[in-house]
Amino acid sequence: SAVISQKPSRDICQRGTSLTIQCQVDSQVTMMFWYRQQPGQSLTLIATANQGSEATYESGFVIDKFPISRPNLTFSTLTVSNMSPEDSSIYLCSVLSDYGYTFGSGTRLTVV
Amino acid sequence: GQSLEQPSEVTAVEGAIVQINCTYQTSGFYGLSWYQQHDGGAPTFLSYNGLDGLEETGRFSSFLSRSDSYGYLLLQELQMKDSASYFCAVYSGNTPLVFGKGTRLSVIA
Repeated sequence: SAVISQKPSRDICQRGTSLTIQCQVDSQVTMMFWYRQQPGQSLTLIATANQGSEATYESGFVIDKFPISRPNLTFSTLTVSNMSPEDSSIYLCSVLSDYGYTFGSGTRLTVV
Repeated sequence: GQSLEQPSEVTAVEGAIVQINCTYQTSGFYGLSWYQQHDGGAPTFLSYNGLDGLEETGRFSSFLSRSDSYGYLLLQELQMKDSASYFCAVYSGNTPLVFGKGTRLSVIA
């Protein structure tokens, strides 16, 4: 299956700042997704990262808050902008390859 | 829209068998997946059912009934390390997985 390297694994950030999370895949994949998992909750889809075009956001998530880049078929970034304590969550990228869905190891974000 | 229902918590004894149920409502359905997530970890794939019936992988089995929009994950010979959250997820083609709210399994001695 595809192998994903997600960075950083965790961070503690001041409110009002921004954090960019990176996902690097070891093979070219068409479908790449970003999820948020709030403490004790399930995974909620933020957006689908489309190569060469704007991401497709789910209801409740907007580009100004969660800008996404997808410059090629192996890499994507998610930025959490103007952070508040409510953004404290685990953020995960996921890809769909010929072997099914694979998840990155996650970024545990704490906003103080 | 899509929705999945699964129990929030299950407790079982080491060595026993436990079944985690999942019912779903979805517009467009290819199959049902199950993921395991330990605290602090990422979800890891356990099984996938695209057709009705039982899929067995070692101690874990998964079942699907498309006509009943129902599936379950069966864990046998429970071990302490099986304590984790288990998520069912609907696969609708080349679209993102939609996850249930998760079932927290506690295995006790």
